[in-house]
Amino acid sequence: DAGVIQSPRHEVTEMGQEVTLRCKPISGHNSLFWYRQTMMRGLELLIYFNNNVPIDDSGMPEDRFSAKMPNASFSTLKIQPSEPRDSAVYFCASSLGAQSGTDTQYFGPGTRLTVL
Amino acid sequence: AQKVTQAQTEISVVEKEDVTLDCVYETRDTTYYLFWYKQPPSGELVFLIRRNSFDEQNEISGRYSWNFQKSTSSFNFTITASQVVDSAVYFCALWGSARQLTFGSGTQLTVLP
Repeated sequence: DAGVIQSPRHEVTEMGQEVTLRCKPISGHNSLFWYRQTMMRGLELLIYFNNNVPIDDSGMPEDRFSAKMPNASFSTLKIQPSEPRDSAVYFCASSLGAQSGTDTQYFGPGTRLTVL
Repeated sequence: AQKVTQAQTEISVVEKEDVTLDCVYETRDTTYYLFWYKQPPSGELVFLIRRNSFDEQNEISGRYSWNFQKSTSSFNFTITASQVVDSAVYFCALWGSARQLTFGSGTQLTVLP
């Protein structure tokens, strides 16, 4: 079975450019999560969706960040405009549900973003 | 508030040694779940184990074992007879009433040949 798929795996862009990260969750999973990993702050939850609806976006750093989930098999995280401090590894994860700790989150391979 | 502490930032062992990674958590919840994830050099996060707060039985899976002690709020992870392929960053995480995973800062394990 395919796991969580993320693209691109690596992205290098210049400050001010728009960046779009993509995620395909595991088929049948109803919850999708976006995380950011940096050396300074570790793993942080940015936003999560349940049944394609954003449930908690309190982790989104600022208005430059937006996320969408137009259907059960696709989500995007967009940064516009990008800044050097956005450089990080962005992970997408999915789980069957989001209401219980029994719903284990399975992570994608991550997208390493570098903003010059 | 939830908090997970992994006090060991880096550990280095020689192959075949046993190694224990410590995890201490804080929560006011009575029902919660604890997790361990592995992040190898390739970067992905690999799920290893989930344990709920009502199950304090230790678990063994091959060379891996986990010791959950509510009395000390710890969920430690032991690798027996370590191998070079075990080299990775290991994260402990907690799920509680906040309904999100709170991760520790991770422990970088290096197994030398």
